[in-house]
Amino acid sequence: AQKITQTQPGMFVQEKEAVTLDCTYDTSDQSYGLFWYKQPSSGEMIFLIYQGSYDEQNATEGRYSLNFQKARKSANLVISASQLGDSAMYFCAMRERGAQKLVFGQGTRLTINP
Amino acid sequence: DVKVTQSSRYLVKRTGEKVFLECVQDMDHENMFWYRQDPGLGLRLIYFSYDVKMKEKGDIPEGYSVSREKKERFSLILESASTNQTSMYLCASSSPRAGAFVTGELFFGEGSRLTVL
Repeated sequence: AQKITQTQPGMFVQEKEAVTLDCTYDTSDQSYGLFWYKQPSSGEMIFLIYQGSYDEQNATEGRYSLNFQKARKSANLVISASQLGDSAMYFCAMRERGAQKLVFGQGTRLTINP
Repeated sequence: DVKVTQSSRYLVKRTGEKVFLECVQDMDHENMFWYRQDPGLGLRLIYFSYDVKMKEKGDIPEGYSVSREKKERFSLILESASTNQTSMYLCASSSPRAGAFVTGELFFGEGSRLTVL
């Protein structure tokens, strides 16, 4: 069963608009971590933000925030004031308790239009 | 600056050839991983290693093997390359000491794009 689901294969957004990238996950663990990575056309995976399942506050890192809704098992990435350089693939991932590996979603290709 | 280095960015091989993909990390991480990335499928785990000479199968190990003789180096081996192994291969490393203040995120190399003809 798919543990991480990203339902938006592609998104197109105007520059300076906010954008939300969807991510839902499936786990029976109470303790887990959620990650978002950015992959520009160069191919390198860039870690953006992390949310622990017990964290009460939504994680934020600069223009990135993670909208964590535990009951809905969703961990959406919000990018405020999008920039042309935000155009990239974005991956949501999860690490379950006791595991070292990350399980990734299918990815969303975000295109920022000028 | 922390770094994961993959030996080749682009490779073209023929069906049946033996292929080595090398990965080196300078962060003294115990964990190392090989993922495969395909459009629409995201990243799928091939193999990972918790320590020198230790390896664990991931979700898609068939057709691959790995070697970890030194802590900093993790090699992916395609014993007899096939066209369905044409893909982007990503190496990553992490520290197992994840806790309240350590996320345990993976640090990735730049990827190796393999084409098998």
